[in-house]
This record gives sequence, structure tokens and C-alpha cells, in this order.
Amino acid sequence: AQSVSQHNHHVILSEAASLELGCNYSYGGTVNLFWYVQYPGQHLQLLLKYFSGDPLVKGIKGFEAEFIKSKFSFNLRKPSVQWSDTAEYFCAVTTGTSGTYKYIFGTGTRLKVLA
Amino acid sequence: EAQVTQNPRYLITVTGKKLTVTCSQNMNHEYMSWYRQDPGLGLRQIYYSMNVEVTDKGDVPEGYKVSRKEKRNFPLILESPSPNQTSLYFCASSSGGGHQPQHFGDGTRLSIL
Repeated sequence: AQSVSQHNHHVILSEAASLELGCNYSYGGTVNLFWYVQYPGQHLQLLLKYFSGDPLVKGIKGFEAEFIKSKFSFNLRKPSVQWSDTAEYFCAVTTGTSGTYKYIFGTGTRLKVLA
Repeated sequence: EAQVTQNPRYLITVTGKKLTVTCSQNMNHEYMSWYRQDPGLGLRQIYYSMNVEVTDKGDVPEGYKVSRKEKRNFPLILESPSPNQTSLYFCASSSGGGHQPQHFGDGTRLSIL
């Protein structure tokens, strides 16, 4: 069965530190990859997505992610975090672009940025 | 404004009393789905619907029902709720294709006593 693994469950950083959150998926075929952010008390919002083309994807608020097919990874990065980035981050995957597909989410990484 | 609307936002009820959580989207999206969010488990898909009258089980469908009679609505039904269904529930929608991101509602916090 397809699955998504986020190995960092809790991350604490100081402002201006660099961020990298890991995401690995298990599926050998074509995948679509997403990172969502959930600010405290809010619903999930899309940060960025990848489905084809340049494996380095830029999203909102200075976030980027790199798809490395050989490593089945889609890690999220930000060069310098801010206090307002405190949130929970979810990696998600779907397989295929048409037909029946399911969204599979990772268990999330809770990021706390200290001012 | 494009949005996914869930009601109610909060509900405390008792075991066995049937309840329905409504979900409506105004974006003409084909795909709709329900998730439950539990600490340490992330989001788990309950049911999804590719289009009107087409629904399928997600990863945790036990104890839940859905229907998709109209494109815009996708209610979640708990026929006989139990305490292990206490959770935060999200409805989401997207336009066709697995490469499309989902738009989420604000969530419904259910407590089953």
C-alpha cells in the first residue's frame, strides 16, 4: 500500500534558522506531491505542489521543495524561518492524474519557531 | 468567495445518536473527500467521491457513510457514533485530476460521549 513518512514529528528552531522537513513516499509509479501547512486552529492550506517538470518547486512564503525520484523524497525547505511559520506541516501524495486516486497524508511535523 | 463550508463546527453528542456533518463547496469541484485528524496520526481519508453518485472508501471508512447526490454537497453520516469517533473532521474538494490540490473546510470537532 502507498504510504507517506514524515520522520520529524516535532522541530524547534530559532528565528532565522534554516528549515528542512523530510518526506518520503512508497510508490514506484507516477506521483503527485504536496506540502500543506496548518496554522493553529485553522484548516490546511497548500504550500506547494509537484506533478511534473522542474523537480525544484517554489511555493508561497519562501518555501521550496525538491523532488528526488531516486530517493522517493520530497523534502521541504526554507532558508530562514520566522516566528509566523509556527504550524504543522503535512506532506501528501496522490498517484496518477486521472481515474481513481486517493490522497495519502503523512502524520505531520509540528514546527515551533522561537522568537 | 471560493470556499468549502462545513457544519456544525463543534458538536458534543452521545453514543448511538445519529448525526450528519454537512459539507458544501461552491467551486464546481468534481472530487470531494472527508478526513479525520487525530494527534500523531495526521489526516486519514474516510471516504472520497470522484463525482456525483460515485463514492469510494478511504483508509478508515468503518462507522461512516457518505452520499453524493449533488455535485456541491458531500455529507458525512455517523449512524451510530461511538467514542472512538471523537476527532477533528475536515471536508475537502478539488477539481478533477490527482495533481490538483485540495481545498479544505474549517473543520468540525466532534466529541462523542
